[in-house]
Amino acid sequence: TQLLEQSPQFLSIQEGENLTVYCNSSSVFSSLQWYRQEPGEGPVLLVTVVTGGEVKKLKRLTFQFGDARKDSSLHITAAQPGDTGLYLCAGYTGKLIFGQGTTLQVKP
Amino acid sequence: DTGVSQDPRHKITKRGQNVTFRCDPISEHNRLYWYRQTLGQGPEFLTYFQNEAQLEKSRLLSDRFSAERPKGSFSTLEIQRTEQGDSAMYLCASSLVASRAETQYFGPGTRLLVL
Repeated sequence: TQLLEQSPQFLSIQEGENLTVYCNSSSVFSSLQWYRQEPGEGPVLLVTVVTGGEVKKLKRLTFQFGDARKDSSLHITAAQPGDTGLYLCAGYTGKLIFGQGTTLQVKP
Repeated sequence: DTGVSQDPRHKITKRGQNVTFRCDPISEHNRLYWYRQTLGQGPEFLTYFQNEAQLEKSRLLSDRFSAERPKGSFSTLEIQRTEQGDSAMYLCASSLVASRAETQYFGPGTRLLVL
């Protein structure tokens, strides 16, 4: 069974702080995606990483795919209250396998 | 195109009743997925279609659950004899088949509460 472990599961920080969310697996994925989900809505795709070692930036968000394509991280710089939500990583091997998510709360 | 739509957005039912949810994917997408999500957790895969063919079903999908995509466009998910443990958000997603990566676009979900 392929599993994706996300950590931490819950994070509460003050506006302006930096944070990193980790996504780890013992399985190799052909690609990995990060989604953000707000309460009562479906997940919205943030980024797809495909190549081992790849780094992608989306404004204050930096995504990295591990060299072995088994893990990934999401780093947010200077978090804002609008970043609050559930962050999900998902590995692709013909279908998406989701991690359990990281609930981020950014307090003003 | 308005994206993936799901109907209804919310459903409250009594235990033992049958419910049916509908998903309308993005029109040119050939794959359609159903997921179940409980509060604070990631979505769990239930089943998916490529065009009208149902290609995979999760072990989570008991015989009370059935999904159809009769013309390769919209899909329905029916739950018979609902149980309280069926209470969850049911998400639909659609995509175009790709090689190493597949971008799935999610609908807003149907939140089911079984009393």
